[in-house]
Amino acid sequence: DIVLTQSPASLAVSLGQRATISCRASQSVSTSSYSYMQWYQQKPGQPPKLLIKYASNLESGVPARFSGSGSGTDFTLNIHPVEEVDTATYYCQHSWEIPPTFGGGTKLEIK
Amino acid sequence: QVQLQQSGAELMKPGASVKISCKTSDYTFSSYWIEWVKQRPGHGLEWIGEILPGSGITNYNVKFKGKATFTADTSSNTAYMQLSSLTSEDSAVYYCAKGNYSHWGQGTLVTVSA
Repeated sequence: DIVLTQSPASLAVSLGQRATISCRASQSVSTSSYSYMQWYQQKPGQPPKLLIKYASNLESGVPARFSGSGSGTDFTLNIHPVEEVDTATYYCQHSWEIPPTFGGGTKLEIK
Repeated sequence: QVQLQQSGAELMKPGASVKISCKTSDYTFSSYWIEWVKQRPGHGLEWIGEILPGSGITNYNVKFKGKATFTADTSSNTAYMQLSSLTSEDSAVYYCAKGNYSHWGQGTLVTVSA
């Protein structure tokens, strides 16, 4: 199985500043055309919410404050400027092969 | 709008089986995979497997083979997951999601306790 390692495990960012979350895959999840990496936001008591698909494509209805980048084995989720409502845990997930696996999560706190 | 409505919380005895439902609406149920995901505190999110309702084709995470069984009823647009031989390790929240993960059920809490 592909292992996804997220960092940091938690971070605190001041209101209006930038949050950067990294996800490293144990093998490449990209072709020359697509990167099979998704990002989710999860708040307590709620299911995950898809934010970004194919590494950098914003899901419909997701604010443009969220952006994704990367290819191969290294991917990044950026949130700028952060808002109070962004307090949540964020997960990366690959869809390169079965089984798709998730990163361990990054808990974001807004200062 | 697309909705996935899961059945309610279950309290089960060890060794029992439980069947969770995921009733969908407002999309072509038979054409999209239904994904099943497990979440336990401290264990993150785990993909259990998927079913394509129109054909009944299933894919299972090797880790859950023999534990989970997927079925789907296209007449009621409902997917099911049965978990067998329950142990404390099966205590978790279980989610169903539409194949592209754009829509999720609200989750079903399964608690296994004697």
